Amino acid sequence: DAGVTQSPTHLIKTRGQQVTLRCSPKSGHDTVSWYQQALGQGPQFIFQYYEEEERQRGNFPDRFSGHQFPNYSSELNVNALLLGDSALYLCASRKWTGNEQYFGPGTRLTVT
Amino acid sequence: GQQLNQSPQSMFIQEGEDVSMNCTSSSIFNTWLWYKQDPGEGPVLLIALYKAGELTSNGRLTAQFGITRKDSFLNISASIPSDVGIYFCAAANNAGNMLTFGGGTRLMVKP
Repeated sequence: DAGVTQSPTHLIKTRGQQVTLRCSPKSGHDTVSWYQQALGQGPQFIFQYYEEEERQRGNFPDRFSGHQFPNYSSELNVNALLLGDSALYLCASRKWTGNEQYFGPGTRLTVT
Repeated sequence: GQQLNQSPQSMFIQEGEDVSMNCTSSSIFNTWLWYKQDPGEGPVLLIALYKAGELTSNGRLTAQFGITRKDSFLNISASIPSDVGIYFCAAANNAGNMLTFGGGTRLMVKP
């Protein structure tokens, strides 16, 4: 039973560039959420996708956007990268009708 | 915005000792969860709580959902070296929806 997978593992980008991160949910899950975790802090909710629509959004600017595909996988896009966007980006999945969210290993993004 | 206050920030204990950490909020939540995160990895779900007053165990771990729905605690009994890591509390207003996380408790165990 495959868990949540994310790619790439690590990424280095330059300020002003754009980045796309990818997530495949745990088998049987249809809902994907994205979180940003700065060093030494707890994860912060970015947004959640279900049925290919954004269902809930946290306090993040429009530079952060996402997409969900028919196979339930998801992408997180960040435009015009800032140094402060450097963080671990976590994807979590669950069943829409379920209660428990399971996290992937994350993508470490470094903006220089 | 909503915040969870988690304490202590760090603990350095002897192997075999019991550990207790807690999480409080000024807001009411309907779901409380506890996660453990190892370096370079994502958080792993330990215990989920859905009812005020609920006490749930998972092996040596026990967690409770506070009656006021504004707090939760996690106890670890007879700690072992592999308990080392960062423990996070998280809460949601509706099960499965946006999770709000605490700042984490870093646990260190001395063999």
